[in-house]
Amino acid sequence: QKEVEQNSGPLSVPEGAIASLNCTYSDRGSQSFFWYRQYSGKSPELIMFIYSNGDKEDGRFTAQLNKASQYVSLLIRDSQPSDSATYLCAVYNAGNNRKLIWGLGTSLAVNP
Amino acid sequence: ETGVTQTPRHLVMGMTNKKSLKCEQHLGHNAMYWYKQSAKKPLELMFVYSLEERVENNSVPSRFSPECPNSSHLFLHLHTLQPEDSALYLCASSQDSAGLAGRAGELFFGEGSRLTVL
Repeated sequence: QKEVEQNSGPLSVPEGAIASLNCTYSDRGSQSFFWYRQYSGKSPELIMFIYSNGDKEDGRFTAQLNKASQYVSLLIRDSQPSDSATYLCAVYNAGNNRKLIWGLGTSLAVNP
Repeated sequence: ETGVTQTPRHLVMGMTNKKSLKCEQHLGHNAMYWYKQSAKKPLELMFVYSLEERVENNSVPSRFSPECPNSSHLFLHLHTLQPEDSALYLCASSQDSAGLAGRAGELFFGEGSRLTVL
């Protein structure tokens, strides 16, 4: 079983729609959750992090965390073509050798 | 511009060459990392330095040798690499490398060094 799972996609949405990206994790002791965006040929860039159950909003981005179900999601409202990228989910447990565990990423394509 | 600079951006080397990757961070962070990114694999943590001390060595082959002379600079020395070592090597920094607050997960990446081993 993979420690952090993401649907590889590609997830294709029309411009202006809501893109929903999901991530599940296996370590129940995980404490911190991160979403990184990686454009093709570029390095990952942190866009959201969440530590507590519930929603966290930042502009057009909302991170949702449900520790009981062991999933974290990222919603992108009013999707733009510039949002087209691979979104990486990463999960951290200070007790798990303090490692950040990464998913493979979901490729998002926003069509004009 | 993330405040983390990597050089060179591209490197082609033969299996018998010796080369080095360089990383410099201008963020005042205490921790620096080397990651390897290959197609169809999650990001692989190679080394972690916290306050210039190596705190993580993730079973990386000895043909990769890290060096951290100070908290702003990180090197990855490469020698006798194999073709399967061809990948994107990413340097990153964070405020610290541990803690329940998870600041260790808030990474700032450099642009990466694309390595091709012939």
